[in-house]
Amino acid sequence: GENVEQHPSTLSVQEGDSAVIKCTYSDSASNYFPWYKQELGKRPQLIIDIRSNVGEKKDQRIAVTLNKTAKHFSLHITETQPEDSAVYFCAASKGYSTLTFGKGTMLLVSP
Amino acid sequence: DAGITQSPRHKVTETGTPVTLRCHQTENHRYMYWYRQDPGHGLRLIHYSYGVKDTDKGEVSDGYSVSRSKTEDFLLTLESATSSQTSVYFCATAGQTNTGELFFGEGSRLTVL
Repeated sequence: GENVEQHPSTLSVQEGDSAVIKCTYSDSASNYFPWYKQELGKRPQLIIDIRSNVGEKKDQRIAVTLNKTAKHFSLHITETQPEDSAVYFCAASKGYSTLTFGKGTMLLVSP
Repeated sequence: DAGITQSPRHKVTETGTPVTLRCHQTENHRYMYWYRQDPGHGLRLIHYSYGVKDTDKGEVSDGYSVSRSKTEDFLLTLESATSSQTSVYFCATAGQTNTGELFFGEGSRLTVL
């Protein structure tokens, strides 16, 4: 089955800096790559997703890039703010299969 | 939010006792999922359902069973709870296809002593 590796497990940045979280996947047939944000004590929520027919997608301060050849995708957050502090999960799936999640990255943004 | 409620939200039980967690949704979503979340392991799929009485196993299904007798309800049962099943359990739903956004419930924290 699919295997998703996520790095780093913890990321500390200063407010205003950029943050990058990287994921690799094993199944070259995977074609859907969402990112979820989970604030402390809350439920995970989708923040952005990308499908394999595009290489990059942006939504205000967040962007996701996909490199199908290398089988990796990344989340980029610019101008980080304290409210960006959370655990971020990447995931991958193909066709109608279920999502496989990475183990998560705890992002800490210091004022 | 997709109108997903989990019950109970917190439960402490003893090893060997049966436990049932309930997920209720009001969005008429076809797909429903049970995940467990543990430090260092992320979100792991236990079981999922793609319709009433249609269920399948996920990657960590041992020791768990599920039932879905109505579209809106998905039950997760631990027949004989073990300490390794101490975790936070999340229910999630997806619409008429499972190729898009998952909507998560608030989670149920289970402690098995």
